[in-house]
Amino acid sequence: GQSLEQPSEVTAVEGAIVQINCTYQTSGFYGLSWYQQHDGGAPTFLSYNGLDGLEETGRFSSFLSRSDSYGYLLLQELQMKDSASYFCAVKAAGNKLTFGGGTRVLVKP
Amino acid sequence: DAGVIQSPRHEVTEMGQEVTLRCKPISGHDYLFWYRQTMMRGLELLIYFNNNVPIDDSGMPEDRFSAKMPNASFSTLKIQPSEPRDSAVYFCASSPVDRLYGYTFGSGTRLTVV
Repeated sequence: GQSLEQPSEVTAVEGAIVQINCTYQTSGFYGLSWYQQHDGGAPTFLSYNGLDGLEETGRFSSFLSRSDSYGYLLLQELQMKDSASYFCAVKAAGNKLTFGGGTRVLVKP
Repeated sequence: DAGVIQSPRHEVTEMGQEVTLRCKPISGHDYLFWYRQTMMRGLELLIYFNNNVPIDDSGMPEDRFSAKMPNASFSTLKIQPSEPRDSAVYFCASSPVDRLYGYTFGSGTRLTVV
């Protein structure tokens, strides 16, 4: 089976940097995806790491270390609109994504 | 593109009734996924299709749940009979074959079974 662990909640102030860690256990690992979901909304794709290293997309970056079965999502220059839940998801054999439990990020003024 | 379209957005039904959720994937996307989201269980995959063929239905909770994809532009998820524990948000997502790490999700159907 597959399992993913990420913190349940993180609180930070506007302008700060937040790192959301994700550790996983799976067989047939291909890569790690990150999604954002606002309350009442749908998950939206943010980033994907198929190889080790850092991927940068504007204020958001994602990192993967296959040897450590670990990845993180880095949110920089936090804005109020970044208050949402963030999910890591493992892409493994079978062309399907398995999602973690999500990290709720609360941005305070 | 209009994105993945789900209907209805909200459904309230009585226990024992049949519920049908509908999804129209993005044109050209080969894969369609049905997920369920609850506070307790998070986002869990129920079933997915490739080119209208069900590939993996291991996440379907029990025989009360069934899903079909009669053509490339339409899929249904049916619950019969419904139970209160089926209350959840049901998401449909679609993806082309070269983007199976970045699905596009529909807005979801919030199902309440009373």
